[in-house]
Amino acid sequence: DTGVSQNPRHKITKRGQNVTFRCDPISEHNRLYWYRQTLGQGPEFLTYFQNEAQLEKSRLLSDRFSAERPKGSFSTLEIQRTEQGDSAMYLCASSLVAALDEQFFGPGTRLTVL
Amino acid sequence: GENVEQHPSTLSVQEGDSAVIKCTYSDSASNYFPWYKQELGKRPQLIIDIRSNVGEKKDQRIAVTLNKTAKHFSLHITETQPEDSAVYFCAASSDRDDKIIFGKGTRLHILP
Repeated sequence: DTGVSQNPRHKITKRGQNVTFRCDPISEHNRLYWYRQTLGQGPEFLTYFQNEAQLEKSRLLSDRFSAERPKGSFSTLEIQRTEQGDSAMYLCASSLVAALDEQFFGPGTRLTVL
Repeated sequence: GENVEQHPSTLSVQEGDSAVIKCTYSDSASNYFPWYKQELGKRPQLIIDIRSNVGEKKDQRIAVTLNKTAKHFSLHITETQPEDSAVYFCAASSDRDDKIIFGKGTRLHILP
């Protein structure tokens, strides 16, 4: 167990609904990353935080997506008005300082949009 | 931005033989190259990484080589075992923008 936890592990929702995922990083890690992984592909970077500051957002992150890390500890990723194309595994990872440090991944949240 | 290409997409090798997975990257600023192993239904896990100040790194049966001039890096697994069957991802990152860009993965099958 790498220490990164994500909840829920699975989420099934209907198109148009909002969903929120939570990530709890390893406690001393100040970097937190969100990725999306679809079947047969590698993880795609979405966004990352250093402490509570969101430092970068991918162009993949449309305005229906928002991420927060209010106290620099856990993070939430919200998807509004879900679409079938949002179906994927959403992975969270954390690292001690920067991407050049090992990133430890959580187990992911599998989202299915019907 | 960075683009990482990975080949082959699928690789089958006889147990005990060696497996080689190759990747190329586009951004000359990339200076960190991790390799992740992902078993079915599980999270990616780092198996080895290399930084641009070295050309080769080895850890037991796993080795990685880096050619900065050609922007190539490779993963070598020797004496393959059934538990090596998984999807392997190469990735690249730089301290300029601090995000990891992954390749599309190689599904490795170890044949008995």
